[in-house]
Amino acid sequence: KNEVEQSPQNLTAQEGEFITINCSYSVGISALHWLQQHPGGGIVSLFMLSSGKKKHGRLIATINIQEKHSSLHITASHPRDSAVYICAVSDSQSSGDKLTFGTGTRLAVRP
Amino acid sequence: NAGVTQTPKFRILKIGQSMTLQCTQDMNHNYMYWYRQDPGMGLKLIYYSVGAGITDKGEVPNGYNVSRSTTEDFPLRLELAAPSQTSVYFCASSWGQASYNEQFFGPGTRLTVL
Repeated sequence: KNEVEQSPQNLTAQEGEFITINCSYSVGISALHWLQQHPGGGIVSLFMLSSGKKKHGRLIATINIQEKHSSLHITASHPRDSAVYICAVSDSQSSGDKLTFGTGTRLAVRP
Repeated sequence: NAGVTQTPKFRILKIGQSMTLQCTQDMNHNYMYWYRQDPGMGLKLIYYSVGAGITDKGEVPNGYNVSRSTTEDFPLRLELAAPSQTSVYFCASSWGQASYNEQFFGPGTRLTVL
């Protein structure tokens, strides 16, 4: 069973700072997902990647398959980025139908 | 499109009561999932379905049942509520396998069992 660990668990930043959230997993994967959980509880998918790097607006996600590690970067952070960021992996040793989730990184961006 | 909808948003149950959490999606997705989220823990898969008439257990299925009679609906049934089932429940859907498709989540149902 894949173990997914995120760091840090909590992060406070000042508006405008560059933010990095890390995700490590223990077993080879088919894909890695980054999700955002809003303060109200809703969850949205940000990225799905299996190699390299993806960028959407101020968000950048990278993955290193050999090191079993992914990072989510937020450039020019804003208070509206305050949320819980969740990493999830699809295990290539299983059918691929299911995700294993990390416990999340709680980000607070202060104005 | 409404996406994934869940009802109710909140519910308080007494021990031993039963209830059904409703989930509907209007994106014609084949795959649907039920997760629970406990404080400080990652989302855990309860049950999932890869199409109408097909369901399978996830990581934490005990105390729950599901059915998938249509593509759109995937209700989750709690038969004898226990305090351990106090949690936030999320329904999600995707077009295909998690390895190749993003999942779309409903707004969640906060359930308290007293």
